[in-house]
Amino acid sequence: EAGVAQSPRYKIIEKRQSVAFWCNPISGHATLYWYQQILGQGPKLLIQFQNNGVVDDSQLPKDRFSAERLKGVDSTLKIQPAKLEDSAVYLCASRLGGPYEQYFGPGTRLTVT
Amino acid sequence: DQQVKQNSPSLSVQEGRISILNCDYTNSMFDYFLWYKKYPAEGPTFLISISSIKDKNEDGRFTVFLNKSAKHLSLHIVPSQPGDSAVYFCAVGSSGSARQLTFGSGTQLTVLP
Repeated sequence: EAGVAQSPRYKIIEKRQSVAFWCNPISGHATLYWYQQILGQGPKLLIQFQNNGVVDDSQLPKDRFSAERLKGVDSTLKIQPAKLEDSAVYLCASRLGGPYEQYFGPGTRLTVT
Repeated sequence: DQQVKQNSPSLSVQEGRISILNCDYTNSMFDYFLWYKKYPAEGPTFLISISSIKDKNEDGRFTVFLNKSAKHLSLHIVPSQPGDSAVYFCAVGSSGSARQLTFGSGTQLTVLP
């Protein structure tokens, strides 16, 4: 079974530029999450989707971050404009309905200079 | 307000000995508890979990203990192997929160040969 795919793996941009991350969850997983992990901290939830609907985006900085999950499969997370404090690893995870266990992709390491 | 705390940022253990990683949580509404392992440049990998109706769950060399009255869980690895060297995150979930997970800050385990 293929795991969660993410791209790109690494991205370096200057502040005020925009960036987009892509995630393809495990086939059949209806729930998809985006997390931000800052160095030395645990993953922090940004947004949760159920199929193509948003379940919770209360921790998403909506003035600069946006996310969508068209057709209930792939998802993109965008930052526009980026700030220095957005430097982090952005993780995508998916979950089969029912169990709590989430399965993570390898993440995208973003560096904002 | 940290709901999940891993107070030891790092732990070193000799190969073959027991590794004990600890995690404390504050909210008694949490009813599911998980441990994830993370290698550098990879996403977190699910390791083992326990629900609030149990106080122990074993899977091979890994055992998770839950003390609900103390709001404390621990992960025991016996015997520890060099390949176990990784960052370990505890995560907690609640059926009342759309099964979202809240992560601790992680403990870097180093198993010395």
